[in-house]
Amino acid sequence: GAVVSQHPSWVICKSGTSVKIECRSLDFQATTMFWYRQFPKQSLMLMATSNEGSKATYEQGVEKDKFLINHASLTLSTLTVTSAHPEDSSFYICSAQTSGTGEQFFGPGTRLTVL
Amino acid sequence: LAKTTQPISMDSYEGQEVNITCSHNNIATNDYITWYQQFPSQGPRFIIQGYKTKVTNEVASLFIPADRKSSTLSLPRVSLSDTAVYYCLVGGGSSGYSTLTFGKGTMLLVSP
Repeated sequence: GAVVSQHPSWVICKSGTSVKIECRSLDFQATTMFWYRQFPKQSLMLMATSNEGSKATYEQGVEKDKFLINHASLTLSTLTVTSAHPEDSSFYICSAQTSGTGEQFFGPGTRLTVL
Repeated sequence: LAKTTQPISMDSYEGQEVNITCSHNNIATNDYITWYQQFPSQGPRFIIQGYKTKVTNEVASLFIPADRKSSTLSLPRVSLSDTAVYYCLVGGGSSGYSTLTFGKGTMLLVSP
């Protein structure tokens, strides 16, 4: 199957700083990418849907000014957690959707810890 | 989006066949049924997808009755490495994959 990478795989930051997470589709073009958040022992929660070249669509309850999403190319989407706080500590997972079959492939996730 | 209900956890032993059933009473006509596997601290991995009847691939089978209100993921001869959380998802529109909504999943524990 297609490969999706995330960088970094884990990050620790101080409260109040911003953190950028990259999601790349390595061998296919993704017109749509999705960002999920997963807290310990819980399921994945969709945060936003990102379409290349347009503004992201955020799920209810997700602050768009706090979680900035940029999808500037067909192979890269970034999620920036601005002014991070300890409650933002979580496992962030992206997925990329192929433009052909529409299948979603998930990245390995990024573990964010805010001190 | 159709809601799904799965057992919270299941236990099995190596070499056994495991069947995980998912209920989705409100499935829509154009909804697909997709199963993902997730290991701790990893992204979900696609297992299988179906619309009706039976689908089989190299790792699993998916059984879907005629009314499509439930589905059963069948894992033949599980091994210790199959210990993971299994998610049943319903939806996806015409492509089968758009806007996936994850339920609580089933934690499968395989013992020696």
